[in-house]
Amino acid sequence: DAGITQSPRHKVTETGTPVTLRCHQTENHRYMYWYRQDPGHGLRLIHYSYGVKDTDKGEVSDGYSVSRSKTEDFLLTLESATSSQTSVYFCAISESGQIPGEQYFGPGTRLTVT
Amino acid sequence: QQQVKQSPQSLIVQKGGISIINCAYENTAFDYFPWYQQFPGKGPALLIAIRPDVSEKKEGRFTISFNKSAKQFSLHIMDSQPGDSATYFCAASIHYGGSQGNLIFGKGTKLSVKP
Repeated sequence: DAGITQSPRHKVTETGTPVTLRCHQTENHRYMYWYRQDPGHGLRLIHYSYGVKDTDKGEVSDGYSVSRSKTEDFLLTLESATSSQTSVYFCAISESGQIPGEQYFGPGTRLTVT
Repeated sequence: QQQVKQSPQSLIVQKGGISIINCAYENTAFDYFPWYQQFPGKGPALLIAIRPDVSEKKEGRFTISFNKSAKQFSLHIMDSQPGDSATYFCAASIHYGGSQGNLIFGKGTKLSVKP
């Protein structure tokens, strides 16, 4: 998975609790992304980062926040988890100057909100 | 206008047959069209990609056909094998100047190749 790890890989949490997912890369790539994957919806972009402390919203950003204090780490936080946020979350990385769309995905985190 | 529409949702093909997955888009500014392959429990992986200045690109058994005027592109898997059973996603992005556009994904096609 191109030097990308995600933690935890599985998590069950209760509605209303905060949750933080971590993406760690060893490729020193500039761009990092968080997607969620749901049946019938494909992959939808939540937030992305184009550098340390530089982030922007994606298609489905409501209820999520992100932070990137180091090149290698990109954190996704659900401030107060809801059942609609039950999903599989994927982190991806890419490098500027290379062909756009050539994103490398991590193994995913399966989150269940009860 | 940012959508990429993918069909079919699922596909069953016999071993040795041809698998065909289609995608359509509206935004004529899209200029990069990758296909991703995803096995159960894994993240998607780039399979093959095309730019709109060519009508076809082939890599092994995988071919992308691109029709710019119809705003459609498709993935053909020749001599389909059980190991090709996976979910396939088409995507599109805009590349402008030195900036990097975000990928817009289709909803995916689950391919099953029967032995």
